[in-house]
Amino acid sequence: DTGVSQNPRHKITKRGQNVTFRCDPISEHNRLYWYRQTLGQGPEFLTYFQNEAQLEKSRLLSDRFSAERPKGSFSTLEIQRTEQGDSAMYLCASSLAAHSTDTQYFGPGTRLTVL
Amino acid sequence: QKEVEQNSGPLSVPEGAIASLNCTYSDRGSQSFFWYRQYSGKSPELIMFIYSNGDKEDGRFTAQLNKASQYVSLLIRDSQPSDSATYLCAVNMGNSGYALNFGKGTSLLVTP
Repeated sequence: DTGVSQNPRHKITKRGQNVTFRCDPISEHNRLYWYRQTLGQGPEFLTYFQNEAQLEKSRLLSDRFSAERPKGSFSTLEIQRTEQGDSAMYLCASSLAAHSTDTQYFGPGTRLTVL
Repeated sequence: QKEVEQNSGPLSVPEGAIASLNCTYSDRGSQSFFWYRQYSGKSPELIMFIYSNGDKEDGRFTAQLNKASQYVSLLIRDSQPSDSATYLCAVNMGNSGYALNFGKGTSLLVTP
């Protein structure tokens, strides 16, 4: 069990550029979540997948954000036309759905800085 | 927007003491409650989860849940300097939702 991995760990980009992050969940975990965290705040939910299906998206999620999990394994989160307000830590978590429990384990995060 | 409230702290306790961290939530449909620890610059690390009213103990940690009062707490016994971190309370969204709603976290400082 190698844990959740995320790449890149750090990304610096200029405003207006597109960025893409990757998350590899714990093997056999069928749920995958994306959260965003800014300084002094708790993680904020963005979206989640069960297998390859995107089941929920936050109402606060801008249409500049899109996520995929094409084969039910790794996932990508793309931000188009980045803005300075997108600067944050982007966290991925995965879980194994079992009955009514859902314990999420987080990856190390991708820190995005938009200049 | 459903709320999860935590005192931001910092909460300072001497080494060896009991640290008590509290959290209230507004979504009565929530069924799952989690405590995560987060060191500065790192990602959240799961400490405990609790689903039923009452106490749940795991080593030096005890989680307490009172759904009627919409209150969940975490006790850390024999606090160590290595416990100094931010503790995040997380609650699942709604009756059957799996996404988590997090509080802003309580900063704990354990002084030698």
